[in-house]
Amino acid sequence: SAVISQKPSRDICQRGTSLTIQCQVDSQVTMMFWYRQQPGQSLTLIATANQGSEATYESGFVIDKFPISRPNLTFSTLTVSNMSPEDSSIYLCSVRQGLNTEAFFGQGTRLTVV
Amino acid sequence: GQSLEQPSEVTAVEGAIVQINCTYQTSGFYGLSWYQQHDGGAPTFLSYNALDGLEETGRFSSFLSRSDSYGYLLLQELQMKDSASYFCAVSLTGYSTLTFGKGTMLLVSP
Repeated sequence: SAVISQKPSRDICQRGTSLTIQCQVDSQVTMMFWYRQQPGQSLTLIATANQGSEATYESGFVIDKFPISRPNLTFSTLTVSNMSPEDSSIYLCSVRQGLNTEAFFGQGTRLTVV
Repeated sequence: GQSLEQPSEVTAVEGAIVQINCTYQTSGFYGLSWYQQHDGGAPTFLSYNALDGLEETGRFSSFLSRSDSYGYLLLQELQMKDSASYFCAVSLTGYSTLTFGKGTMLLVSP
């Protein structure tokens, strides 16, 4: 299993500002991902955080808006840049440890942009 | 694109059995997973099927038919704590990301 610490758990931010979310895992993991989830909705993949190289973004998400870092196999950050109220959502860090394994999720960051 | 269809809501009473279906249309397929998410909580893994058939884990079982692009999650002896959202998710490859369905909210009443 993997224990994920995600910070902050929630935040209220002014539009136009940026917020960086941190994801720390208690063990080295192969795959790290960032998801977005509107309350009561499904999980939408933002990007795969690649260690030592640029993240792989899904359609509709771009690096300028959601820059991601992954300096090692246990840590990643997601920044939500130049925020607008439409960015209000829950952001979730997720990891998988290898082939064909279950995914573990952080508790999420509940972001409200005002 | 990828699509996974599951009912938006299911209701049942304590002690009953409930089945949550999931049909998928994806460009590839490696396996079907099920996750539970309580309100305000993180999704947690329940079950995984890569091959046709039934997988049983305690009160929860999951079934897959690859030829029908269909699976289901079976919850037995329902308890109030089972009230949550349940998501099916497809892996396109063994190392790929998960594509999630829209989720089924299960409401268990006394």
